[in-house]
Amino acid sequence: DSGVTQTPKHLITATGQRVTLRCSPRSGDLSVYWYQQSLDQGLQFLIQYYNGEERAKGNILERFSAQQFPDLHSELNLSSLELGDSALYFCASSEAGANTGELFFGEGSRLTVL
Amino acid sequence: AQSVAQPEDQVNVAEGNPLTVKCTYSVSGNPYLFWYVQYPNRGLQFLLKYITGDNLVKGSYGFEAEFNKSQTSFHLKKPSALVSDSALYFCAVRDGSGAGNMLTFGGGTRLMVKP
Repeated sequence: DSGVTQTPKHLITATGQRVTLRCSPRSGDLSVYWYQQSLDQGLQFLIQYYNGEERAKGNILERFSAQQFPDLHSELNLSSLELGDSALYFCASSEAGANTGELFFGEGSRLTVL
Repeated sequence: AQSVAQPEDQVNVAEGNPLTVKCTYSVSGNPYLFWYVQYPNRGLQFLLKYITGDNLVKGSYGFEAEFNKSQTSFHLKKPSALVSDSALYFCAVRDGSGAGNMLTFGGGTRLMVKP
């Protein structure tokens, strides 16, 4: 158990809809990262937050947004969903200020868009 | 920009034989290198990392990896494979000169260990 909790584990929705994925980082970790894993794109970095502030941005679509709250949990919002958004979305966390440290991953939220 | 290449989609090895999963990387600064493993329907688990120091890094479950700066490689190895090692393996890199902590992952290599 990595200590990173993601909900929901599975989500099925229709095109055009909006969903919110939730992540609770390990206790004490200030950084949260979102990754998308799909069969054709592999693991793609979406966005990183550090102590509530956006730290780095990757290949995140404009239809997607994220935030990190004062209690350090994070939410990834996906809107105007398309079939191609079907993927496994991972959240990871790391120790504060430790850029030599490893990331700890949750078990992912599997999104299916029909 | 940083990138990672895992040239093999799948590696097949017999139980008890040595295994190697290949990884090459590209970064502009000092490379921080990582290996992760993913079992079915699970998140990624950290195996080992190279930051600095000895080029041979030992990690979890008997795995090790060798950093080769001249070849820009960081191959994952294990002297004797187990059936339970069958999983998806990811190499990742971060530019140590950068301010962020973002990892860039390779495409993954599926390891199949047969009894």
